[in-house]
Parts: sequence; structure tokens; C-alpha cells
Amino acid sequence: EVQLVQSGAEGKEPGESLRISCKGSGYSFTNYWINWVRQMPGKGLEWMGRIDPSNSYTNYNPSFQGRVTISADKSINTAYLQWSNLEASDTAMYYCARPGIAPAGTDFVYWGQGTLVTVSS
Amino acid sequence: QSVLTQPPSASGTPGQRVTISCSGSSSNIGSNRVKWYQKLPGTAPKLLIYTNNQRPSGVPDRFSGSKSGTSASLAISGLRSEDEADYYCATWDDSVNGELFGGGTKLTV
Repeated sequence: EVQLVQSGAEGKEPGESLRISCKGSGYSFTNYWINWVRQMPGKGLEWMGRIDPSNSYTNYNPSFQGRVTISADKSINTAYLQWSNLEASDTAMYYCARPGIAPAGTDFVYWGQGTLVTVSS
Repeated sequence: QSVLTQPPSASGTPGQRVTISCSGSSSNIGSNRVKWYQKLPGTAPKLLIYTNNQRPSGVPDRFSGSKSGTSASLAISGLRSEDEADYYCATWDDSVNGELFGGGTKLTV
């Protein structure tokens, strides 16, 4: 069974750094890109970017480029989303997602359970 | 404001048929495949439709998708109370070189 398990909720202060994770299991981790999707409170879904775990090639939404870093460690089947300087506006639920069949597809069949990030002073 | 335009809300009564629209442009819907997701509060999104009109296994045939030019639609027939959720269209955008989501439509049953 394909599973994406995300790290737990985080509470941070503005200016702090943070890395959240998404661990894949039940499939060959390097065969499918991992995507990150944001949902701010009361708002819609936003695609942030994605990574090919086989070579760590990344592709960002221009709206998020430079604000976050997507990385992966294929030795432990885990993808990451990180911030170096959190802002209150980063408060949101973050999901990782994997396509169904096509390795670089964007039909997101499999989703993590979400990681709630709260940034407040 | 999203590049993919959806009505913010839609409603229907049990048993009815409702349609949700998604309007884009030549760089996104016009040249790429459309997906639809259902989002219930507190849960991860669920893929309902991919490649414009295909249903993943397990999705009831009450849900159907279509695409024409730079617009797409999701139809839900035989509405049920459990269909009350937020619905999002999505597709790749060649100009942005990234995936776009519509602004979402809140369906009330």
C-alpha cells in the first residue's frame, strides 16, 4: 500500500527556520516525483513545487521560488519542505502528494495527511 | 485570485444534478489535462477526475468531467449529503511551468 506520512504539527515564531518531512512507503520512492501543496486558513489549494527524488531536480511555482526549499533524501525515502525565515503568512496546512501512474504526472492520487504549520509571536 | 476561475459556491438538493465550471486559458486548460479534487474539512484532497473525464477506481460514476476549449466542468448527479465539500479544478500551465489549482467551489447540499 502506497503511503505518504508527514511530520507532525509545528508552532514557530517569525524569523525561525523549519523543515517538515514526507516519508514514502509501499513503492519505489525514486520512481515518482513528490509535490508540495499549501492551504492557508480558509483559502484554496496552491501548488508549491516538486522534486524528483532520483536526482533531486526541483521545479517551483514562481510564487514560492526563493521562499522555500524542497529537498529529498532517497536513502530514507523522505522529501522535505523547508523555510529559513518563517513569516506569519506561512501559517497553513501543507500536504505532500504523489502522482498515480506517470512518474512526473500531476494527477495527485496519493496524499500525506498534512502538516499544520503555525507561525506566531 | 486564481488563474483558473471557479464559482465560489454551488448548491443543490439531494438527488439533483449540479455542475461546477472551471475557466482558464490557452496556456493551461486549453493545452493540458484537467483534474478535479474533492476536499473535505480536516482531510487531504481526493482525486475525483483526471485526464479531463477519467475516474480513478473507487470514485462513483455520479461524478463526471468534461473539457471544451479553455473551460472544464465537473458534474455531480444524484446529489448526496456526503458530497458537501470544496471542489477544485487543476491543470498544468505552460507559461508558469507549474500546476495550477482553481480557487475552489464550496458545494452545499
